[in-house]
Amino acid sequence: EPEVTQTPSHQVTQMGQEVILRCVPISNHLYFYWYRQILGQKVEFLVSFYNNEISEKSEIFDDQFSVERPDGSNFTLKIRSTKLEDSAMYFCASSEGRGQGEQYFGPGTRLTVT
Amino acid sequence: GQNIDQPTEMTATEGAIVQINCTYQTSGFNGLFWYQQHAGEAPTFLSYNVLDGLEEKGRFSSFLSRSKGYSYLLLKELQMKDSASYLCAVRDTSRGGGYNKLIFGAGTRLAVHP
Repeated sequence: EPEVTQTPSHQVTQMGQEVILRCVPISNHLYFYWYRQILGQKVEFLVSFYNNEISEKSEIFDDQFSVERPDGSNFTLKIRSTKLEDSAMYFCASSEGRGQGEQYFGPGTRLTVT
Repeated sequence: GQNIDQPTEMTATEGAIVQINCTYQTSGFNGLFWYQQHAGEAPTFLSYNVLDGLEEKGRFSSFLSRSKGYSYLLLKELQMKDSASYLCAVRDTSRGGGYNKLIFGAGTRLAVHP
């Protein structure tokens, strides 16, 4: 069964450093998302991406965040200058259609900022 | 505004039936999802309702009443492995283009005891 994959599974970085989290969505899916979950809290929407551009972003997704689809398979989330409060699980998801069907989540990347 | 409420914790006995309720208030609505999440793992899709009524999928069923802003997830023949968090999520369309943004509740931690 096709699945969303993410690398790395765990990333430790120092405050102020840049990190890039990588995702490979399901191959025939056209809509991609990033969510985050701070430990013990709810899953929060960050950004959705379609046709090589952001379709929506949340208030969390400020100028420190960016997304990119550098090739036909990868979808990345970059945090330019990490803060302690960026420590969380980051989940990539993809869906086939825009207003229908479910979103499939990847296993997540645990980001720890020290 | 957006608000999704579900009980924080529930306990049940192996072999029993449990119902997890979810109420929501969102500016836009295009479907309600239930996900299961084990600690430290990604949410996995369980069920999806866009029209009123009951959707059955094996041991899991989900009900939706759009007029009441209410859904429930019913788990039958509970097994120990069903101990997990159950997340209610609404696909929110209030900001127009982002038809696929999911807004999650805080989740219900279910503990199944022998």
